Amino acid sequence: GQNIDQPTEMTATEGAIVQINCTYQTSGFNGLFWYQQHAGEAPTFLSYNVLDGLEEKGRFSSFLSRSKGYSYLLLKELQMKDSASYLCAVKDSNYQLIWGAGTKLIIKP
Amino acid sequence: GAVVSQHPSWVICKSGTSVKIECRSLDFQATTMFWYRQFPKQSLMLMATSNEGSKATYEQGVEKDKFLINHASLTLSTLTVTSAHPEDSSFYICSARELFENEQFFGPGTRLTVL
Repeated sequence: GQNIDQPTEMTATEGAIVQINCTYQTSGFNGLFWYQQHAGEAPTFLSYNVLDGLEEKGRFSSFLSRSKGYSYLLLKELQMKDSASYLCAVKDSNYQLIWGAGTKLIIKP
Repeated sequence: GAVVSQHPSWVICKSGTSVKIECRSLDFQATTMFWYRQFPKQSLMLMATSNEGSKATYEQGVEKDKFLINHASLTLSTLTVTSAHPEDSSFYICSARELFENEQFFGPGTRLTVL
């Protein structure tokens, strides 16, 4: 079967750095997405990786290793507004998005 | 750019009634639209995928006669929850994608409460 694993919940301190990991086992791979979802709102796009390596976008970076079926989202200089759920999603061989359950990130002052 | 709207943002209805939710891509042509359902503290669950002008493809376990999807134009898709019951209460989110593009753009979601 297809599976996306990410931690259920993480806690970090304002101003610090946090890394949210995602491992996947899917039938084929056509890219990996990270989305941010605040409570009661729809997800918003953060990043897309299809080749191995690190993609940096401001305070957020996303890394992919296709051989290891692994990605992480790195958030720097954490702000209180970064408290949200972070969803990892993989596009499989049928170009369907397979979603992880999300990681709830709690930022403490 | 790439804005997707949903209407209504929330709806409360009586058990047994039908509810229609609209999803519109405001500034791009959405050749493919997706309908998701999300229960509290759970991940997104894809209900169906629809391509403009074609019948929707439903995920396993989703009743096509209960959740009617119409994607008649490149900017509008509708989801009708027929004979709604309290267990249908959920957060329904649509997303839209342009042809040959990777990214899906999400609507703001519709919170449905069935009494």
